[in-house]
Amino acid sequence: QKEVEQNSGPLSVPEGAIASLNCTYSDRGSQSFFWYRQYSGKSPELIMFIYSNGDKEDGRFTAQLNKASQYVSLLIRDSQPSDSATYLCAVNNDYKLSFGAGTTVTVRA
Amino acid sequence: NAGVTQTPKFRILKIGQSMTLQCAQDMNHNYMYWYRQDPGMGLKLIYYSVGAGITDKGEVPNGYNVSRSTTEDFPLRLELAAPSQTSVYFCASSYTVGGARGDTQYFGPGTRLTVL
Repeated sequence: QKEVEQNSGPLSVPEGAIASLNCTYSDRGSQSFFWYRQYSGKSPELIMFIYSNGDKEDGRFTAQLNKASQYVSLLIRDSQPSDSATYLCAVNNDYKLSFGAGTTVTVRA
Repeated sequence: NAGVTQTPKFRILKIGQSMTLQCAQDMNHNYMYWYRQDPGMGLKLIYYSVGAGITDKGEVPNGYNVSRSTTEDFPLRLELAAPSQTSVYFCASSYTVGGARGDTQYFGPGTRLTVL
């Protein structure tokens, strides 16, 4: 069973703070890693992908990957109320993606 | 470009009834997927297809069937509905999956199904 585990949350952060989301995966053969955002009642939408060790920045979002530790994280800087959502970590697995259960983030004003 | 479309948006079934959830994409994607999402849970893969005429089981295929006669369409059939199939169903498609290009899956809006 190829598993993806995320910190369970919920995570509550004040507006302007950094939200830190963590994800571990079991399949050492995985090559690509994705973070999706899902607003309540909506479908998931891609916000970041990463495939090389290290950091990747896109606006207020930074993804970090450590393949040796089988760990991928997402940092949201200067958190805004519009960032309140569930964040899903996904890991590629042959032709498929395996998803974690998600971490719900609430940004309080 | 409509992306991935799903019908219906909502449906209530009685135990033992059958139905087909429709999914279509207009992006000429080879790969298509069906997921279910239970409250507070991640996405569980039901079935997937790597091209017309080719389908395979995911993690939770029991109680479902699929077909892929065209590149565009990937319907999901529920036979003998059970309360355990109450969930939100998402269809997704992609050109490829993973790899250095980071090709990703595009999701439809979902179908909320209740079995009573």
